[in-house]
Amino acid sequence: AQKITQTQPGMFVQEKEAVTLDCTYDTSDQSYGLFWYKQPSSGEMIFLIYQGSYDEQNATEGRYSLNFQKARKSANLVISASQLGDSAMYFCALGRNQGGKLIFGQGTELSVKP
Amino acid sequence: DSGVTQTPKHLITATGQRVTLRCSPRSGDLSVYWYQQSLDQGLQFLIQYYNGEERAKGNILERFSAQQFPDLHSELNLSSLELGDSALYFCASSVPGANVLTFGAGSRLTVL
Repeated sequence: AQKITQTQPGMFVQEKEAVTLDCTYDTSDQSYGLFWYKQPSSGEMIFLIYQGSYDEQNATEGRYSLNFQKARKSANLVISASQLGDSAMYFCALGRNQGGKLIFGQGTELSVKP
Repeated sequence: DSGVTQTPKHLITATGQRVTLRCSPRSGDLSVYWYQQSLDQGLQFLIQYYNGEERAKGNILERFSAQQFPDLHSELNLSSLELGDSALYFCASSVPGANVLTFGAGSRLTVL
C-alpha cells in the first residue's frame, strides 16, 4: 500500500526567508514519483515539482527544490526567498513513474509574514 | 488556465438529489481522474478513466458513478446526495505515460 504523511498542519515563515515543508512516504514500488502541488485560497491545484525515484539529483524548479532522501523515504519541499504569494496549502503526493493516480498527503498550510 | 475545464464551478442542491459534474481534459490527454476534497477526508482519489475505459478505482461510493465519452470528456454522477457529500470535486487529466496530473479549477458542491 502507498502512504503519504505530512506532519506539519501549518507553518509560518518570514518574507524572503527559506522554508522546508516535510513529507514522508511509504511504498513497495521500486519505480515511483513524488510530487508537490500548491493550492491557493482560490482553490485550484497547481503542480510545482516532481522527483522520480531513480533520479540521482534533487529536482529544482525556480525557487522550489525537492530534498529527496530515498533511504529515509522523505521528499521535503524547500521554498527559497518566500514571497507573500506563496501563502497557500501545499500537498505532497505519491504516484507511479509510468503514470496513474496520485495519493495525496493531508497538506501543510503555509503563511508568509511580511 | 490549466486547460482542464470543469462545470459547474458551484452547485447548491438538497439532500436526496442527483447532480452531474462535467470535465473536459486538456487537448491530447487521454486519462481523466476524479478527486474529492473535503475538510475531514482531504484529497481522495475516486476513479480514473483512460480513453473511455475505467482504469482504476479508489474510494468511490456506490451512489457515485462516472464515465468517459468518445470525445474524452468525463462526467461524475452523484446521486442520493447526503450532507457529507459537500466537497470540492476535482477533475485532472494526463497524457499517456505521463506522471504529472493537470487539475481543473474544481466544482464546489454544497448539499443542504
